[in-house]
Amino acid sequence: DAGVIQSPRHEVTEMGQEVTLRCKPISGHNSLFWYRQTMMRGLELLIYFNNNVPIDDSGMPEDRFSAKMPNASFSTLKIQPSEPRDSAVYFCASNQARRNTEAFFGQGTRLTVV
Amino acid sequence: AQSVAQPEDQVNVAEGNPLTVKCTYSVSGNPYLFWYVQYPNRGLQFLLKYITGDNLVKGSYGFEAEFNKSQTSFHLKKPSALVSDSALYFCAVTPGGAGSYQLTFGKGTKLSVIP
Repeated sequence: DAGVIQSPRHEVTEMGQEVTLRCKPISGHNSLFWYRQTMMRGLELLIYFNNNVPIDDSGMPEDRFSAKMPNASFSTLKIQPSEPRDSAVYFCASNQARRNTEAFFGQGTRLTVV
Repeated sequence: AQSVAQPEDQVNVAEGNPLTVKCTYSVSGNPYLFWYVQYPNRGLQFLLKYITGDNLVKGSYGFEAEFNKSQTSFHLKKPSALVSDSALYFCAVTPGGAGSYQLTFGKGTKLSVIP
């Protein structure tokens, strides 16, 4: 398996633009997590899905952020409109929650909003 | 709510010396505990986990961790540090049992191994 695949690896956008981050989890995993990493706040859980259903989105900072998982092999995190304070590295991770296995992380998307 | 504390932002150790990276947790029920490592510009990589059984868990790259229920700790250790161990280390916890999905991370500890 190629692991968790995230795209793009780097994204630079202007304030006010819409940004969409993409994630393909490991095949067979039934839970998917979106995290945001910044120097100030460390690693924050934004939202997680189980069997494609959002279970907890309490970490989503505000309505500008939305996440979807239309099927077991694809998820998106969208920011609209983007702001400079959204600049961070966004990670996607997946695991088989039923067995409480470790989560596997993608390489991350480094987002810069100017 | 579950939480993880890594009390040290940075740990410095000389190459060849033993290292310890500290972690304490708060969670209801029996926890599942994890350590991850992050190298620059990379995602987090799994090192080891405690689910049940022996309190001393061995993982990748010679690392081990000891689960201490009374002290609610799960410190990461290695007998002899390598320069290549320099990285950011994260402790994480999830409540044990079925339906326990949420993995909560500590803020991370930067380990610097000095040649």
